[in-house]
Amino acid sequence: DGGITQSPKYLFRKEGQNVTLSCEQNLNHDAMYWYRQDPGQGLRLIYYSQIVNDFQKGDIAEGYSVSREKKESFPLTVTSAQKNPTAFYLCASSKTTGAGGVQFFGPGTRLTVL
Amino acid sequence: GQQVMQIPQYQHVQEGEDFTTYCNSSTTLSNIQWYKQRPGGHPVFLIQLVKSGEVKKQKRLTFQFGEAKKNSSLHITATQTTDVGTYFCAGQGDYKLSFGAGTTVTVRA
Repeated sequence: DGGITQSPKYLFRKEGQNVTLSCEQNLNHDAMYWYRQDPGQGLRLIYYSQIVNDFQKGDIAEGYSVSREKKESFPLTVTSAQKNPTAFYLCASSKTTGAGGVQFFGPGTRLTVL
Repeated sequence: GQQVMQIPQYQHVQEGEDFTTYCNSSTTLSNIQWYKQRPGGHPVFLIQLVKSGEVKKQKRLTFQFGEAKKNSSLHITATQTTDVGTYFCAGQGDYKLSFGAGTTVTVRA
């Protein structure tokens, strides 16, 4: 089955710890994205990547880091510098970032920082 | 930067009634997309509108793209319990989609 997988579904961490969220896709898509979703605020873009070994900051990149070493993978690290990390994190991919780039979302990871 | 506003934030609908959610962009869009997120789920693509004034239908859902390509609407007729969820519009800029805050729909049976 083609699609996007995110793991784990639920993640708990202590304050001050870095944590890495996994995102893998087998759709052969060039572009990948990370969003953060908080209640009542829709989807906010953290980082996106148009191609392997290249990525750009989105609207709320502070306290986050990413890498894109393989086309299929786009892991997100939530660092201790992120002041309010508890949220629902969604990874998405699309064939292109340009016009017509319909996005396919993974099931999400719900991160809770204690 | 590009901003997409969506209203209303919440819509409580009696089963069988119609409702509309609206989306407005601060800039002209190349296209607009609509997604639906069921409770506890992830956003799923519904449709994309590209042409000025375009209207598309999916069963009881009617999507419109404004003449100026800065606004869009989603109209649902005869609401059913399966319509529960959050509907997002997303405006396409040069390199990214800008999502509205969504309209969360609940249905009274």
